[in-house]
Amino acid sequence: DADVTQTPRNRITKTGKRIMLECSQTKGHDRMYWYRQDPGLGLRLIYYSFDVKDINKGEISDGYSVSRQAQAKFSLSLESAIPNQTALYFCATSDSPGQGTDTQYFGPGTRLTVL
Amino acid sequence: DAKTTQPTSMDCAEGRAANLPCNHSTISGNEYVYWYRQIHSQGPQYIIHGLKNNETNEMASLIITEDRKSSTLILPHATLRDTAVYYCIVSSRYGQNFVFGPGTRLSVLP
Repeated sequence: DADVTQTPRNRITKTGKRIMLECSQTKGHDRMYWYRQDPGLGLRLIYYSFDVKDINKGEISDGYSVSRQAQAKFSLSLESAIPNQTALYFCATSDSPGQGTDTQYFGPGTRLTVL
Repeated sequence: DAKTTQPTSMDCAEGRAANLPCNHSTISGNEYVYWYRQIHSQGPQYIIHGLKNNETNEMASLIITEDRKSSTLILPHATLRDTAVYYCIVSSRYGQNFVFGPGTRLSVLP
């Protein structure tokens, strides 16, 4: 969905490096999410944010941190990357309650490889 | 949020209807059924969602049983471009996350 963009699209890094993945959206949604996907598996939630001042841990937050710089921007950081963080990372957005259902719209993904 | 069970894989002939089942026997009254698909490693794409009634849009139809314990996604005339992994998700209207299981890998065959 062109309304949700992720940068970079691909990244190769080394163990121990700090990495930031960025997500921007033009849908005007309050809620934003970060998921990771390992080969052959479904997506797992890392962090989610209901608004700029509200950040919540998801199922697999260890080793990750996030920053919600603005309504439209939500960044995911790996403080010290390790090889088992090699995965596809997806950002998603959704409306707030009262604006509709919790339909989430996903970005194109970032493929991260940690050597 | 309730869990879902889907077949691991299905085949469908091009031009025929693809019927993808999903069981969600523990669904509660305020939970919606959502369907997404993922083509190759692209971001999941929203298809359709429903609460109680059957729903139809330009992509697909969603049939939910009266007891809401199962549903079927119908792609009326499958094309090769519909080959993807299809995810059935149950979530409350104000749920904080979707749980993506392994989904059903649909292969549309020429």
